[in-house]
Amino acid sequence: AQSVTQLGSHVSVSEGALVLLRCNYSSSVPPYLFWYVQYPNQGLQLLLKYTTGATLVKGINGFEAEFKKSETSFHLTKPSAHMSDAAEYFCAVTYSGSARQLTFGSGTQLTVLP
Amino acid sequence: KAGVTQTPRYLIKTRGQQVTLSCSPISGHRSVSWYQQTPGQGLQFLFEYFSETQRNKGNFPGRFSGRQFSNSRSEMNVSTLELGDSALYLCASRSLGGDYGYTFGSGTRLTVV
Repeated sequence: AQSVTQLGSHVSVSEGALVLLRCNYSSSVPPYLFWYVQYPNQGLQLLLKYTTGATLVKGINGFEAEFKKSETSFHLTKPSAHMSDAAEYFCAVTYSGSARQLTFGSGTQLTVLP
Repeated sequence: KAGVTQTPRYLIKTRGQQVTLSCSPISGHRSVSWYQQTPGQGLQFLFEYFSETQRNKGNFPGRFSGRQFSNSRSEMNVSTLELGDSALYLCASRSLGGDYGYTFGSGTRLTVV
């Protein structure tokens, strides 16, 4: 079984400050990890993903995440927050198998303060 | 190329009715999954289809069903609607192979009154 825990349902940062959204996963097999962003009344947009290879993954809009197996973490960071980053962010896990459903965390609502 | 298209965007139904939602995947994507999003339960997996066959199913009652057509388009059906079925229903498609990229549509917002 696999699961995802996102620490902090709400995170507030000032514009220009570092964004750090935390994600820890549990998986009995090597995981594939994703970060998605959701704007109000919209679907999910893929920010970045880790499957194999380099553990530091760069995504869209200046976001990046690092897969740390020893810490079972996949935290999302952005050096400088922008007002347009305000949205809900979801971490998700799946694995290499024939039926690869995504298991999502409960989400983190990011607020960017002017 | 066009993204995942879900229709309709909004629906209002009455308790006891049934509803059908549609999803057209990205061209070339043969796998389609459905997810339910609610404030209380978050994002939950409903089912996945590939080549017109259901490959995986989440923990939902039998009132929730789906199918996939030969052109990979998919529909999901909910019968005997309950108030708790009010949710955003999201469809995702992906190509098989090494990419593991799931692309989501904008969703269908279902309100049951």
